[in-house]
Amino acid sequence: DAGVTQSPTHLIKTRGQQVTLRCSPKSGHDTVSWYQQALGQGPQFIFQYYEEEERQRGNFPDRFSGHQFPNYSSELNVNALLLGDSALYLCASSTGFSGPYNEQFFGPGTRLTVL
Amino acid sequence: SQQGEEDPQALSIQEGENATMNCSYKTSINNLQWYRQNSGRGLVHLILIRSNEREKHSGRLRVTLDTSKKSSSLLITASRAADTASYFCATDDNQAGTALIFGKGTTLSVSS
Repeated sequence: DAGVTQSPTHLIKTRGQQVTLRCSPKSGHDTVSWYQQALGQGPQFIFQYYEEEERQRGNFPDRFSGHQFPNYSSELNVNALLLGDSALYLCASSTGFSGPYNEQFFGPGTRLTVL
Repeated sequence: SQQGEEDPQALSIQEGENATMNCSYKTSINNLQWYRQNSGRGLVHLILIRSNEREKHSGRLRVTLDTSKKSSSLLITASRAADTASYFCATDDNQAGTALIFGKGTTLSVSS
């Protein structure tokens, strides 16, 4: 049973560029959440997708956008990259949007470096 | 904003000793989860404890929750070098949806 997978593993971009990160949820999961983890910090919630719609959003600018596909996989897009966007981007999957007791399972992350 | 705050920030122990990490949070919650992260990689889910539970065990892990004090603790017994990692507590925001709010974590170092 494959867990949460993310691609690519590492990515280097320059300021002003755009980037797309991808996530495939754990088998049987239909909800995908994205988190940003800066060095030495805990992960911060970006947004969550369920039934192909953004259901919840954290305190991130509109430069951060996403998409969920019918097979539940998801993309995170970041436009006009800033140096401060350098971080580990984590995807988490779970079942059911309205379940507060659902465990969230994380992927290995994508390390984004903005130069 | 970060709700959970782990204490201590760093902990160094010898193999075989027990490690205790604490987490405090600010608002009411539905559940609290503990995660482990090795060397800046993905988070591994350790245990989830619901707001109506006071203690939970999983192997060498023991988690307690005190909602009156808005705090939780994670005890790792008989620690091993492989337990060396960062440990995070995460709470829900008690609203619709399941976004997790993380603290800054405790870095545990277990030496042999």
